[in-house]
Amino acid sequence: DIQMTQSPSSLSASVGDRVTFTCRASHNINNHLNWYQQRPGKAPKLLIYDTSNLQSGVPSRFSGSGIGTDFTLAISSVVPEDFATYYCQQTYSMPGNTFGQGTKLVI
Amino acid sequence: EVQLVESGGGLVQPGGSLRLSCAASGFTLSNYDMQWVRQTTGKGLKGLEWVSAIGTDGDTYYPASVKGRFTMSREDDGRSLYLQMNSLRAGDTAVYFCARVGRYGAYDYWGQGTLVTVSS
Repeated sequence: DIQMTQSPSSLSASVGDRVTFTCRASHNINNHLNWYQQRPGKAPKLLIYDTSNLQSGVPSRFSGSGIGTDFTLAISSVVPEDFATYYCQQTYSMPGNTFGQGTKLVI
Repeated sequence: EVQLVESGGGLVQPGGSLRLSCAASGFTLSNYDMQWVRQTTGKGLKGLEWVSAIGTDGDTYYPASVKGRFTMSREDDGRSLYLQMNSLRAGDTAVYFCARVGRYGAYDYWGQGTLVTVSS
């Protein structure tokens, strides 16, 4: 199985900050990396697919980059509704995709 | 509008069975790959794990952790998915989501989830 490691597990920020989340794959996954946002009590929501493609309806302050084994999600200027948990997911091996353990963005 | 609505969760004893349902609207199920994904409960970061998949051709797939115990199926009317879970264990306790597989394998739509608790 391909293991996904996210760091850090928790990230502190203030409204207006630029923040970045890191995700590392145990094997080369090319660009088959997705990012999700999850608020408490809700299902995850797709933000970015295939490393850098913004899902329809997602604000442009979110962006993704990377290739191979190292990937980044960035929020250019945090707003209050962005405080949530963020997960990366590799879909290089399907259906056996795997998720990272998540990074919680806290105030 | 695409919607997925799960039902069927609840409390079950170890070794018991449960059948989850996922009602789909706004698209035809048989035109998309679909998966069941579970998320462990409790405090702290909660892991996400796929537990079953069905392709447009009807072929099904399972990870080793549930193979032989879980069975995924799809109604011919293209509106309902099911997950039959047998020989349940405490480690199967989680919120179960059905999810549509969109472009590049990403889950573009999720249901709200249904909680399964395996406990005596």
